Parts: sequence; structure tokens; C-alpha cells
Amino acid sequence: AQSVSQHNHHVILSEAASLELGCNYSYGGTVNLFWYVQYPGQHLQLLLKYFSGDPLVKGIKGFEAEFIKSKFSFNLRKPSVQWSDTAEYFCAVNGAGSYQLTFGKGTKLSVIP
Amino acid sequence: GAGVSQTPSNKVTEKGKYVELRCDPISGHTALYWYRQSLGQGPEFLIYFQGTGAADDSGLPNDRFFAVRPEGSVSTLKIQRTERGDSAVYLCASSRDISNTGELFFGEGSRLTVL
Repeated sequence: AQSVSQHNHHVILSEAASLELGCNYSYGGTVNLFWYVQYPGQHLQLLLKYFSGDPLVKGIKGFEAEFIKSKFSFNLRKPSVQWSDTAEYFCAVNGAGSYQLTFGKGTKLSVIP
Repeated sequence: GAGVSQTPSNKVTEKGKYVELRCDPISGHTALYWYRQSLGQGPEFLIYFQGTGAADDSGLPNDRFFAVRPEGSVSTLKIQRTERGDSAVYLCASSRDISNTGELFFGEGSRLTVL
């Protein structure tokens, strides 16, 4: 069975600090990888995705993530966070051809102005 | 509509009661999913519809849970004989078709509290 591990439960940063949120997954085959974000009071929305090709993927709002197959990792990064990035971030994975997304427990990011 | 709509947004019920949660997906989206998010956890898959049929219901926890999508649009998640452990946020999501299996558009969820 596939699983997703997010290392940090709550991260607190000052504005302009750099961000890296860890995500490791466990799955034996080809995977699709995702980061979803939930801003306060809003629904979950897709931030970025990796299906194949360039392992460095760019998403909305200046976020990027790098797929490192050998480490089973898909860490999320942003060079300089803003207060508006305060949200909960979920890493998710599904096996190629699978309908089921497996989510991590989420990381809450608080950005202090 | 502009997004996935879920009703009710909040439901409080007593143990043993029957509950229905409704999801109206984005117009034209053929794939519909239900997930459940318990406190402190990420969403967990329950069931997936492609059109009117349940293509994968392997995530339903037991036979008290059932979902339908009779006309290939609106879906209803039904929970019989509710238990306190059913308390969670029930999320509905849709996608354009089967090829977009991970690019889901989520609703705001229905928060179920079983007393």
C-alpha cells in the first residue's frame, strides 16, 4: 500500500524567508505526485503536479517542487515566502493509472509579517 | 456552477441516525470522488465515480457507507447508523475525466459531527 510522510507538522517563518517542506512517499511503481494547498477558510486546491519529464516542476505563486526518485521525495520549495502563503500544505501521490490519491497528514505553514 | 458545491456545510447528528451529504460537481466533469478528512489527518479516499457508476468503492470503511450518482452529475453520500467515529469533514472533488486522476477540484466539505 502506498503512503506519504510529511516531516513537519507546523512550520513558522518570517516573511522573505525561504521555505522547504519535506515529503517522502512509499510506492513500488510509477507515481504521479502532487502538492495541494488549503488557505484558511478555503477549499483544497492544486498547487503543482509531477507526472513525468523534468523532475523540477513549477507551480502557482512561485512554488516549485523537485522529484528525486532515488530518495522517494517530492519536496516543496519557495525562495521567499509571503504572509499570504499561510496555509496548510498536503503532499499526495497516486500510482500511474490509479484513481486514488494518498495524502500526507499536511504541514501547517504560518508566515509572520 | 463555478466550483464544486457541497451541502450541508455542517451537520450535527446523534449516534445511530441516518445522514445524507450532497455534492454538485463542476459542470461537465465526469469523474467524481469522495474523501474523508479526520482531525489532524490528510484526506482519505472513499469512492470514485466515472459517470453514473462507482468505479472504485474500496475506500468505504464498511457497509454503513453508500454513495450514488444516478444521473452522472450530483452525488449523495449516505451514512447509516452513524457512529461517533464517523465525525469528520467529508470532501467531494471532481475532475474533467479519467485522464486527470490527480488534478482534482475540491469542494469546501461537509463537516459531520456525531454526538
